[in-house]
Amino acid sequence: DSGVTQTPKHLITATGQRVTLRCSPRSGDLSVYWYQQSLDQGLQFLIQYYNGEERAKGNILERFSAQQFPDLHSELNLSSLELGDSALYFCASSFQKDTEAFFGQGTRLTVV
Amino acid sequence: AQSVTQLDSQVPVFEEAPVELRCNYSSSVSVYLFWYVQYPNQGLQLLLKYLSGSTLVESINGFEAEFNKSQTSFHLRKPSVHISDTAEYFCAVITPPGESYIPTFGRGTSLIVHP
Repeated sequence: DSGVTQTPKHLITATGQRVTLRCSPRSGDLSVYWYQQSLDQGLQFLIQYYNGEERAKGNILERFSAQQFPDLHSELNLSSLELGDSALYFCASSFQKDTEAFFGQGTRLTVV
Repeated sequence: AQSVTQLDSQVPVFEEAPVELRCNYSSSVSVYLFWYVQYPNQGLQLLLKYLSGSTLVESINGFEAEFNKSQTSFHLRKPSVHISDTAEYFCAVITPPGESYIPTFGRGTSLIVHP
């Protein structure tokens, strides 16, 4: 158990809908990362938050957004969902900016 | 920009045989290097890491990786694999300090251990 909790584990929704994925980082970790894992794209970095502030953006679509709350949990919002958004979404956390990231179990999103 | 290349998408091997999973990175500065393992339907778990010091790092389950700066490689090896080692293995790099501490991952190598 990495200490990173993601909910829900599975999500099935229709095209055009909006979903929210939730992540609770390890106790004490200030940095949260979101990744998307798909068969054709591999593990793609989406966005990073550090102590409540957005720190870096990767290949995140404009339809996607995220935030980190004062208690350091984070949410990833995916809207106007398309079939191609079906993927595993991972949250990871780390204490300092230059140490390894610990991953949650992921949320498997299926858009039908 | 940092990038990671895992040369093999799939490596089949028989149980108790040795294995090497290859990883090359591109960065002109100092790097931190990691190997993660992902078992089916699970998240990524850190297997081992190189931050500084000895270029040979080991994990608790018999894997080792060697940082080779001149060849910009961080290959993962195990002298004798088990069925339970069947999983997806990801190499990752961080380039500190600077703008980004974001781990960049390779595409992954699927290790398939046959009995």
